[in-house]
Formats: sequence, C-alpha cells, structure tokens
Amino acid sequence: DAMVIQNPRYQVTQFGKPVTLSCSQTLNHNVMYWYQQKSSQAPKLLFHYYDKDFNNEADTPDNFQSRRPNTSFCFLDIRSPGLGDAAMYLCATSRGTSGMTDTQYFGPGTRLTVL
Amino acid sequence: DQQVKQNSPSLSVQEGRISILNCDYTNSMFDYFLWYKKYPAEGPTFLISISSIKDKNEDGRFTVFLNKSAKHLSLHIVPSQPGDSAVYFCAASGSRLTFGEGTQLTVNP
Repeated sequence: DAMVIQNPRYQVTQFGKPVTLSCSQTLNHNVMYWYQQKSSQAPKLLFHYYDKDFNNEADTPDNFQSRRPNTSFCFLDIRSPGLGDAAMYLCATSRGTSGMTDTQYFGPGTRLTVL
Repeated sequence: DQQVKQNSPSLSVQEGRISILNCDYTNSMFDYFLWYKKYPAEGPTFLISISSIKDKNEDGRFTVFLNKSAKHLSLHIVPSQPGDSAVYFCAASGSRLTFGEGTQLTVNP
C-alpha cells in the first residue's frame, strides 16, 4: 500500500554527472515537496509544487531543478552533482487544503552518493 | 538560524517507562506543530500534531504538550515499547514546515 514511492532507493553518481531522482504518489495530493537531509541534520526544503505552480526556496542552489509532469509524478534533477550534494533526498506530499500546515506524507527517500 | 531545535540527540528509556522528547522553537509565528517518527531506511511518518490554540493533544500512548509562552513542545510516550525505538523529529509550520534535527529514542527491553 505504498503511498509515496521514491526510485531508486540508492543512487550512486560521479562528480558532475547529471542525475534524476523520481517520486510518485497514489494519494492524489496537490502538493509535492523535495527535501534534502544530511546526516544528523534536519530535513531542508528545496522546493515544492502546488499543482503545477513551482515554488523554489531562496537558498536552493541553481544546480537543483524539479519537474512535475502530472499530479502523480515529481522529479528532482541535479545538473552537476558535487561531493556536498551527497545526502538523503526525501519526497513528501500533502493535500494542500490548509496550505503549508497540512500534514505531509513522506516517501522512503533516495540515498545519493557522489564519487 | 535554527528555528526549531531538539537539544537531545539521543534518549534511552526502559520499556514500560515514560519517554519525553523535547523541542524548542524561536519563531512566534509558528501556528501548528507536528511530530514525525523515522525508522532506518524509511521516510518520516506522521505521528501526532497540535495547533497553537491548544496546549495538549492525546492519541493513545502519545501526548503532545505545547507551552507557547516558553516556545516549547514535548512528546510523551507512555508506556514506551521497544518498537518505539526510532528517530523523532518535531516540526513547526508557518509559511512552511521547519524541522528539528531529530532525537534518537532507544527503548530497552
């Protein structure tokens, strides 16, 4: 009964080689989020989509991009991964009916390693 | 600027006793607070929440207390069970969700 699915669970890429992480949801939620979490740190919001409306956080590097082709899918593209981008990437969804106070539902995450 | 802080990176409790996890925040505009639980190799799962108009919310073994004047919330788990062993994140909602760094709870049989 997976509701927020992330693929792959583990991704290894080379320094500077573009990589795409995938998230899909079966909840039909309006909002999809991407977070970056480094070891022993709080998850950090990178950006979110409210339907097709993209909202970037002010401190998210340009190296990170996102696409949401439809309600169910959202992608995180890292154009030129650096060693500092190695982290767990978490996708989350929410209904969007109460703005950002909605409960968010998380996927299992993708662990990115940069060699 | 860490607006949500969990000052205890870890907590160890005996099975059957109470676990108390603490969280402090600095932004008085936060109006909704949540606790998430995270097992290894899984994403955070929602546990319990509280609105800023309340000071207590209870759901089974889990109770969250909010002290707005102190900008402090806590999660009480009683009785604690070994399956509760996980990382617990508090999160505060204003214009977006802001997470603390997490507390690793270990419940010993």
